[in-house]
Amino acid sequence: RKEVEQDPGPFNVPEGATVAFNCTYSNSASQSFFWYRQDCRKEPKLLMSVYSSGNEDGRFTAQLNRASQYISLLIRDSKLSDSATYLCVVNIRTGGFKTIFGAGTRLFVKA
Amino acid sequence: GAVVSQHPSRVICKSGTSVKIECRSLDFQATTMFWYRQFPKQSLMLMATSNEGSKATYEQGVEKDKFLINHASLTLSTLTVTSAHPEDSSFYICSARKEGAGNTIYFGEGSWLTVV
Repeated sequence: RKEVEQDPGPFNVPEGATVAFNCTYSNSASQSFFWYRQDCRKEPKLLMSVYSSGNEDGRFTAQLNRASQYISLLIRDSKLSDSATYLCVVNIRTGGFKTIFGAGTRLFVKA
Repeated sequence: GAVVSQHPSRVICKSGTSVKIECRSLDFQATTMFWYRQFPKQSLMLMATSNEGSKATYEQGVEKDKFLINHASLTLSTLTVTSAHPEDSSFYICSARKEGAGNTIYFGEGSWLTVV
């Protein structure tokens, strides 16, 4: 089993839709969590960190469920410009730090 | 926000030659940097973890003698693709971990390598 797994994609949604991605992690020593966005032929860029209490940034809401070991990203009122690949990233403390990337979920928002 | 710079952004080289790609953290020190490769329409693939002052840790299946990594300072890691072949043509991306609250990862802009 992979240490970090994401929903298989692609997700095809119409503009204005609400879409949610999940990312599960297997290591209970996972300590910090992030969502990144990667546009085609570009590097990933930090979208938001995920805090234990959940956090919101405009149309984007990230949540962490430690008991079930997953994080989620909710996008409301999808825009065409939201089309991208969304990566979850987990830092695991194992003496030092280990950083694990999910494989990414592709989102296509269509008019 | 933190900045990671990667150079060159594009490089074309002849088969059999070596190419060096640099990754610099511009406004923070990074004990740990990462190197990835990404083929078109595929996921990022972690190649190796670069540790300042020590040997890099390579992922399974990545040839350490072909992809040489040197992390000589807290702000610079280099990836050298030795004896490049056309199948090495890819998008190479580095990232650096900014230590502190959250240990956030910041990515370089990536380097497109074409081997002809």
